[in-house]
Amino acid sequence: AQTVTQSQPEMSVQEAETVTLSCTYDTSESDYYLFWYKQPPSRQMILVIRQEAYKQQNATENRFSVNFQKAAKSFSLKISDSQLGDAAMYFCAYRKRFTPDKLIFGTGTRLQVFP
Amino acid sequence: NAGVTQTPKFQVLKTGQSMTLQCAQDMNHEYMSWYRQDPGMGLRLIHYSVGAGITDQGEVPNGYNVSRSTTEDFPLRLLSAAPSQTSVYFCASKPIQGLDSPLHFGNGTRLTVT
Repeated sequence: AQTVTQSQPEMSVQEAETVTLSCTYDTSESDYYLFWYKQPPSRQMILVIRQEAYKQQNATENRFSVNFQKAAKSFSLKISDSQLGDAAMYFCAYRKRFTPDKLIFGTGTRLQVFP
Repeated sequence: NAGVTQTPKFQVLKTGQSMTLQCAQDMNHEYMSWYRQDPGMGLRLIHYSVGAGITDQGEVPNGYNVSRSTTEDFPLRLLSAAPSQTSVYFCASKPIQGLDSPLHFGNGTRLTVT
């Protein structure tokens, strides 16, 4: 069975600094997707970034980028130039490709951003 | 475009009561699903549907029923609520043409069972 592990329950960062959130996963599949979701206090689940396992290039979305290490089954999220609005729970998630929507989530990392 | 709409936002039930959590989407998405989120855990899939008339179980289906009579609606029923069902429930949807497209989530329903 696939599993997703986030070993950092909480992280903190100073505004304008860079922070990296860790995620590891376990799967025997070769074709899959990895996601980072942000959940602010409003409870809304917001997709931050997505990585296709068949792509070697790391995904980037503005200040958010990932370090995808397929062999190590590692998928970390780097937030550059942190902003107060980045404070939230961040969830790493996995899905086999060509499955409808069976996302498997990690337990989350709470990110605090200090001014 | 309202997206995925969940009602109610909050609900308190007594043990043994029944209720239905509503989920509606106006994007004509074929795939819809229900997740629950418990403290210290990630979201876990309860049930999902790939189209009207078709439903299947996810990781934690016990105690919940679903049906999908229309493309737009995917209600989640608790027949006899238990304290273990205290959780935040999320509905999500996505289009079938974009199998690789991401899920659209509703804003969640916080359910407390006393």
